[in-house]
Amino acid sequence: EVQLVQSGTEVKKPGESLKISCKGSGYTFSDYWVAWVRQMPGKGLEWMGIVYPDDSDTRYSPSFQGQVTISADKSINTAYLQWSSLKASDTAIYYCAKTTVLNGRDAFDIWGQGTLVTVSS
Amino acid sequence: DIQMTQSPSSLSKSVGDRVTITCRASQSLSYYLNWYQQKPGKAPKLLIYAASTLQSGVPSRFSGSGSATDFTLTISSLQPEDSAVYFCQQTYSTPPTFGQGTKLEIK
Repeated sequence: EVQLVQSGTEVKKPGESLKISCKGSGYTFSDYWVAWVRQMPGKGLEWMGIVYPDDSDTRYSPSFQGQVTISADKSINTAYLQWSSLKASDTAIYYCAKTTVLNGRDAFDIWGQGTLVTVSS
Repeated sequence: DIQMTQSPSSLSKSVGDRVTITCRASQSLSYYLNWYQQKPGKAPKLLIYAASTLQSGVPSRFSGSGSATDFTLTISSLQPEDSAVYFCQQTYSTPPTFGQGTKLEIK
């Protein structure tokens, strides 16, 4: 079964650092881009950036450039999203998603279950 | 960034009804448009890609149409399990952007 399994719920204080993970299985992890998507409480979906695990090529949305770091370790089929200094406004559910080319177009065909990050003093 | 606008923002329909959700882009996307379904507490699920192709395993009552700037998701006969939020997404340009979502409730 193709799946992405994310790390668990995090509760942090403002200013703390954090790294969450997304582990792929059931497919050749290094061959597909992995995207990170933010969903703030009760809100829509925002694409943060993507990483290509084979060579760690990374692209960011301008809205998130400099705010987070996306990386991957293909040896353990895992992608990461990290913050160096969290803010209360980072409170959200974060999803990773496998990007596949279908009919010549990108689509997110497999999603992780989501990681809830709560930042509160 | 390309702006995606869905309408309506919410709707309430009865089992068996035909449901139509629209998505409009701020510029032409060709066919670079996907639809996702998100149920409460769950991750989004891909329903339709490239505007009109049904993802494997998705019931045939779901269909998509449109091109350029105007797209439609149709549910031909609404079922109770279709209660969810539906999002469109453009992948024509980076960053990929989503519509704000349409909440579908069952009467």
